[in-house]
Amino acid sequence: AQSVAQPEDQVNVAEGNPLTVKCTYSVSGNPYLFWYVQYPNRGLQFLLKYITGDNLVKGSYGFEAEFNKSQTSFHLKKPSALVSDSALYFCAVRERTNAGKSTFGDGTTLTVKP
Amino acid sequence: SQTIHQWPATLVQPVGSPLSLECTVEGTSNPNLYWYRQAAGRGLQLLFYSIGIDQISSEVPQNLSASRPQDRQFILSSKKLLLSDSGFYLCAWSLSQSTYEQYFGPGTRLTVT
Repeated sequence: AQSVAQPEDQVNVAEGNPLTVKCTYSVSGNPYLFWYVQYPNRGLQFLLKYITGDNLVKGSYGFEAEFNKSQTSFHLKKPSALVSDSALYFCAVRERTNAGKSTFGDGTTLTVKP
Repeated sequence: SQTIHQWPATLVQPVGSPLSLECTVEGTSNPNLYWYRQAAGRGLQLLFYSIGIDQISSEVPQNLSASRPQDRQFILSSKKLLLSDSGFYLCAWSLSQSTYEQYFGPGTRLTVT
């Protein structure tokens, strides 16, 4: 069975500082991993994904994430946070043998203060 | 380009009334389709997913049902709403290959009174 954990409900950073939103996962075999962002009263938007290859993946809005197989983690990062990055972030995992069903974490609220 | 529509955007229904939420996708064929519920702005609960017409899997036993009358149309229904059905309902689609991400609709805010 696949599962994902986002250990922090809330992350606060100052504008211009680097940010990290943590995600760990559990799957059988190698995973597909995804990050999504949700703004208030909106649907989720896809940010980036890891399928195979380079462990560092780059996505939309300057975000990147690093796949770490030994630590079963896929943390979301950005070198310099913007106030407009404030939103709810979801990590998701899918087993390669799964027909198409992802498991989402509970979400982490990122607040960037000016 | 592909787009996904959901309606209505908001809905207030009394307990015991029926429900029908509609989701349609444009610009792609044979997508995987999903219904999620999000409570209190937090985690997503997968309710149903479909990899094709007449292929719908239910993830959570409850008083909701889903149908896929056409390739790009996904409907969430209930015969009698409960207070606990209140929430933010999200439809999503993805390409059929498992490597692909999901794309979400704008959501329906359902309040059961």
